[in-house]
Amino acid sequence: DAGVTQSPTHLIKTRGQQVTLRCSPKSGHDTVSWYQQALGQGPQFIFQYYEEEERQRGNFPDRFSGHQFPNYSSELNVNALLLGDSALYLCASRKTSSSYEQYFGPGTRLTVT
Amino acid sequence: AQSVTQPDIHITVSEGASLELRCNYSYGATPYLFWYVQSPGQGLQLLLKYFSGDTLVQGIKGFEAEFKRSQSSFNLRKPSVHWSDAAEYFCAVAFPNRDDKIIFGKGTRLHILP
Repeated sequence: DAGVTQSPTHLIKTRGQQVTLRCSPKSGHDTVSWYQQALGQGPQFIFQYYEEEERQRGNFPDRFSGHQFPNYSSELNVNALLLGDSALYLCASRKTSSSYEQYFGPGTRLTVT
Repeated sequence: AQSVTQPDIHITVSEGASLELRCNYSYGATPYLFWYVQSPGQGLQLLLKYFSGDTLVQGIKGFEAEFKRSQSSFNLRKPSVHWSDAAEYFCAVAFPNRDDKIIFGKGTRLHILP
C-alpha cells in the first residue's frame, strides 16, 4: 500500500514565476491538506481539500491556490513566487470517516531564486 | 497567545542515554496531541498520539509520551536512544471539533553522541 506521494521532489523557480505541486493521497483517504515548512520552522497549514472543495484555509495569501480531483489527488499552485516562498511543501491525507490521523508525504522542496 | 511551545531548539544526548523532549501548549480546551519525527530531507512520521483516556501513550520506535493536563504538557520520552534517533521532533495539536488543521511547534533537533 503506497503512502502519500508527492511530485516533484525538488524544484527551482525564479521570482514572479508560477509553480504547481502534486500530491496523491494514501489509498482510501479522501481529504488532503497542504503545509508549508520554512527552514528551521514547524509546518504551517495552508489549506485543506475535501470533496473537491477547499474546506479550510490558513493564513496564506490568495497567491496560494489548490485543486482536488475526483480521484482525491490534489495540486497546490503558487503564483507570483517570492523568495520567501522557498520551503518544503508537505501534503497530508486522511480518511474523513475514520479516526483522526493524518499521514504526511515526503514533501517537495521549492527554491525560489 | 495560543501556541505550541518546544522550549529546546537543540538537545544532545549520548547513545544509550535516556531522552525527554518537552512540549507545552496554551489553549483553553484540551486538544488532540501528537509527536512527529522528521529525518533530514524526509517528511513527517507520526510517533504517537493522544486523544483521550490513559495519559501515558506508547508509540513506535520505543517512544512514549505523557499528557499532564495540569501542566498543559505532552513530553516525549525514550529510555535508551539509538544513533538512528537523531532527527527533528515536532510536537503538534489539533482541534477536530473546530477545524482539521494540525498546529506544530517549532521543533527540537536531537543530536546523538556516539
